[in-house]
Amino acid sequence: DAGVIQSPRHEVTEMGQEVTLRCKPISGHDYLFWYRQTMMRGLELLIYFNNNVPIDDSGMPEDRFSAKMPNASFSTLKIQPSEPRDSAVYFCASSRDSGNTIYFGEGSWLTVV
Amino acid sequence: AQSVTQLDSHVSVSEGTPVLLRCNYSSSYSPSLFWYVQHPNKGLQLLLKYTSAATLVKGINGFEAEFKKSETSFHLTKPSAHMSDAAEYFCVVSDRAAGGGNKLTFGTGTQLKVEL
Repeated sequence: DAGVIQSPRHEVTEMGQEVTLRCKPISGHDYLFWYRQTMMRGLELLIYFNNNVPIDDSGMPEDRFSAKMPNASFSTLKIQPSEPRDSAVYFCASSRDSGNTIYFGEGSWLTVV
Repeated sequence: AQSVTQLDSHVSVSEGTPVLLRCNYSSSYSPSLFWYVQHPNKGLQLLLKYTSAATLVKGINGFEAEFKKSETSFHLTKPSAHMSDAAEYFCVVSDRAAGGGNKLTFGTGTQLKVEL
């Protein structure tokens, strides 16, 4: 199994630019999660999907953030426009069903300058 | 509401000595509890999980944790530390969320340093 695959691994962008982070969950997993990790706030759940449907987006910081899951094997997290305070590591994770272990990707390291 | 408290932000041990990383949790229901490890510039890897079966849980790389309901604790231990264990460790509590999914709440992490 290839695990959860995220891209890009590293991105440096200028303030105001659009950033798109991508995720391919483990095949057969029904749940997909987006987390953000910063020194100040630790790991925060941004949003999660079940069967491609967004279930809880209460962790999305503001309207500049949006996430989609057009099919079972792909999800995006978009920031438009980006700001320096968005600099963080963004993790995608997936799980087979409710109650099962959540597996994390290796993260997308975003720096907004 | 659920929460988890990792009592030490940094732990330093000598190679070959025991490791103890402390975690206390709060949960409205019977929780699922996890320990994840994060090596530098890497994602989070599951070490072990407790889901209401045996209270002593064995994980990978020689780690284990004991669920103690009376103490609301889930401390992580290893008999003998190895240099490769140096990493950040997260205690995590899981509760059922809207839509039936798992909503994980992470502790703030414990940085483990292993010295020669």
